[in-house]
Amino acid sequence: DQQVKQNSPSLSVQEGRISILNCDYTNSMFDYFLWYKKYPAEGPTFLISISSIKDKNEDGRFTVFLNKSAKHLSLHIVPSQPGDSAVYFCAAGRLANAGGTSYGKLTFGQGTILTVHP
Amino acid sequence: KAGVTQTPRYLIKTRGQQVTLSCSPISGHRSVSWYQQTPGQGLQFLFEYFSETQRNKGNFPGRFSGRQFSNSRSEMNVSTLELGDSALYLCASSLGPNSPLHFGNGTRLTVT
Repeated sequence: DQQVKQNSPSLSVQEGRISILNCDYTNSMFDYFLWYKKYPAEGPTFLISISSIKDKNEDGRFTVFLNKSAKHLSLHIVPSQPGDSAVYFCAAGRLANAGGTSYGKLTFGQGTILTVHP
Repeated sequence: KAGVTQTPRYLIKTRGQQVTLSCSPISGHRSVSWYQQTPGQGLQFLFEYFSETQRNKGNFPGRFSGRQFSNSRSEMNVSTLELGDSALYLCASSLGPNSPLHFGNGTRLTVT
């Protein structure tokens, strides 16, 4: 049962344009969402997070949008740069103050390979 | 500040053997989690520790175990290795509740 899904295995974008990565979840108990970037031979690097009390969070070129009714989140990268080429994972969990007992248990999607062409 | 450090980076073991992987979290981080990454299953949660206590465990057999020491360093152990245990094992640490996980570069385990 895949509770977090990234339906696009890959995405190709031109440098300077917007990259939009999508993620769907099925478990309505999830209230904490994160995006990670992963280069080959390295561990995932944290990019940005959002809790369910918000519908948008920005950090520089990265913006995460959360649509709770659709159980959908997206990551926007503007402008895209060749160095952004990597595998992007979305992850979901439960906030500790919402009754979650786990600090480190996240459910990950399968990842989307982003390629930004110069 | 140093990141999460995992040792060794690569391991080759034979089926039936056991293995111990080590993780040093970011200084000040008391929560340590372990994940297994395989091409077929993606990133899957193994277990997590906070203040030397296992807080949660994923859906893995009892051959997978772990522990955390008083200095927050953690080890995971896999006994009676199977070919399917070949994977990238990732350790992550966080400050605590509602803080993002920060991952190490993993230990690549190959079981032959």
